[in-house]
Amino acid sequence: AQSVAQPEDQVNVAEGNPLTVKCTYSVSGNPYLFWYVQYPNRGLQFLLKYITGDNLVKGSYGFEAEFNKSQTSFHLKKPSALVSDSALYFCAQDSNYQLIWGAGTKLIIKP
Amino acid sequence: DVKVTQSSRYLVKRTGEKVFLECVQDMDHENMFWYRQDPGLGLRLIYFSYDVKMKEKGDIPEGYSVSREKKERFSLILESASTNQTSMYLCASRKETQYFGPGTRLLVL
Repeated sequence: AQSVAQPEDQVNVAEGNPLTVKCTYSVSGNPYLFWYVQYPNRGLQFLLKYITGDNLVKGSYGFEAEFNKSQTSFHLKKPSALVSDSALYFCAQDSNYQLIWGAGTKLIIKP
Repeated sequence: DVKVTQSSRYLVKRTGEKVFLECVQDMDHENMFWYRQDPGLGLRLIYFSYDVKMKEKGDIPEGYSVSREKKERFSLILESASTNQTSMYLCASRKETQYFGPGTRLLVL
């Protein structure tokens, strides 16, 4: 069965430092991959997606993600974290127009 | 911008009540989805719809039903609310990308 793994429940980063939120996807599915962010008591907001082409995908709020086929990974990155980036982040993989979701990673940026 | 709206942000209901959660999208998307989100369990798909009057069960359809009479509207129905249906409910619509509504936090007493 297809699955998406986010191995870290929580990631703590100091403001101004680079951040990485990890995601690995299922090799049996198509590698259409997405990142979403959720602020407290809000719906999910789309950040970026990989469909095909350049392995480095740029998205909203200065985030980017790197698609790595050999490692089946799609890690979310940002060069310099802001306190306002603190939120819950979800990785997802497309599967016949549905999405297979990771469990989510809570990102905490400390001033 | 895609806009997905949900009828209520917060809702309190009593056990046994029939509950309607409404979702409307304005981008003429064919595909619409209902999820529930619980701490530690992530997003779980309840039902989805590919077109008007079409519905498909997701991973956890028990205790729920849906209605899609018009393309822009997808309703989730709790036939007889129970306390274990207390949750955050998220609606989404998609063409290539899923776009979410703000969510409805439902408390069943």
